Amino acid sequence: GAGVSQSPSNKVTEKGKDVELRCDPISGHTALYWYRQRLGQGLEFLIYFQGNSAPDKSGLPSDRFSAERTGESVSTLTIQRTQQEDSAVYLCASSLRGGYGYTFGSGTRLTVV
Amino acid sequence: TQLLEQSPQFLSIQEGENLTVYCNSSSVFSSLQWYRQEPGEGPVLLVTVVTGGEVKKLKRLTFQFGDARKDSSLHITAAQPGDTGLYLCAGFHGSSNTGKLIFGQGTTLQVKP
Repeated sequence: GAGVSQSPSNKVTEKGKDVELRCDPISGHTALYWYRQRLGQGLEFLIYFQGNSAPDKSGLPSDRFSAERTGESVSTLTIQRTQQEDSAVYLCASSLRGGYGYTFGSGTRLTVV
Repeated sequence: TQLLEQSPQFLSIQEGENLTVYCNSSSVFSSLQWYRQEPGEGPVLLVTVVTGGEVKKLKRLTFQFGDARKDSSLHITAAQPGDTGLYLCAGFHGSSNTGKLIFGQGTTLQVKP
């Protein structure tokens, strides 16, 4: 597609449930990033995929968070046993190669009640 | 502790005024990027500065990268209501231009007509 697509755009879930967020990057972009953004705040790095290299998972806040990417296509971010502090907008970005020209999706707004 | 500190965090001005947003760090960055984000959308890249002392202009926006590559500024001349949004600086720490893109906490700008 023309841009980075994220789904769902909004997700309300009960505390303790698992959620899966999806990111479709721009075709041909080898680099993919997940960020978390709390209301009115900057972006908190979660994870970075670059081609077939091992992902940089250094930003994942706990072992309840995991992410996968198959090749250079779709990525999913999974949050297990959601907590209220997980409520935030989760943003995905892709780049032709790591370093330049990041394009962000519109994000998934997650609300844990 | 934020690696990139933005100031001010909030700015409310009248249409036609000038303003400057600062992005500072005690560490060296190989490059810095500036993004603008509107509510409900992902950040959109405005500019990338890569050389110490570099100045780039984008219509009424002027971006500068410090000589020591530890700071950057965004100056807007004759602000307009359409400039309202969250301005974010981001950079790659150290000498690499790939990997984890670190964001500042953002500056919320409101331009009143």
